[in-house]
Amino acid sequence: GDSVTQMEGPVTLSEEAFLTINCTYTATGYPSLFWYVQYPGEGLQLLLKATKADDKGSNKGFEATYRKETTSFHLEKGSVQVSDSAVYFCALSGSSGTYKYIFGTGTRLKVLA
Amino acid sequence: ETGVTQSPTHLIKTRGQQVTLRCSSQSGHNTVSWYQQALGQGPQFIFQYYREEENGRGNFPPRFSGLQFPNYSSELNVNALELDDSALYLCASSVGEGSKETQYFGPGTRLLVL
Repeated sequence: GDSVTQMEGPVTLSEEAFLTINCTYTATGYPSLFWYVQYPGEGLQLLLKATKADDKGSNKGFEATYRKETTSFHLEKGSVQVSDSAVYFCALSGSSGTYKYIFGTGTRLKVLA
Repeated sequence: ETGVTQSPTHLIKTRGQQVTLRCSSQSGHNTVSWYQQALGQGPQFIFQYYREEENGRGNFPPRFSGLQFPNYSSELNVNALELDDSALYLCASSVGEGSKETQYFGPGTRLLVL
């Protein structure tokens, strides 16, 4: 079945460091791909999305490119801030007509001042 | 701020009891999905409603049931609570039945079953 695999955390970085969180997926068909962020004690907030191959989603300095050939959607940010500390979830939807989101297990990011 | 609200924010129940969780979707969002997020895990799809009818279901037993109302609100009901039902329950609303539509999540209800 469809699945999403994320790199395990926690990821600990110093402020202004470069961030990469790896995400790969397995799906039949052509899913949409999403990154959601969850701050402590809160629900999920959409960070960015891409709906077809080679699309680049971007928001708040974060970006991810839909790579069909490598089935990946890695999240990157050039310079992280303490306020970026959160849990990041990669998700897919729409594979083979399915309507549910399939999430990865999440990657906790901690940014130190 | 996604415009999706959930109540209550926290809830404590005992094993065997029943619980109802509520969600209010964004106006005009006629699809609502419910997810269970266990501690340290990603959300797991429970079911989805479109125009007040169940539109699909994940791997959850029948004691998990739902309702969607015309005013964009919805409910998740869980009967015969088990300890493993302790989790954060998230609802998400979206526009239309399209499987690729962006879902907007509420803040969740944290349920503890003792």
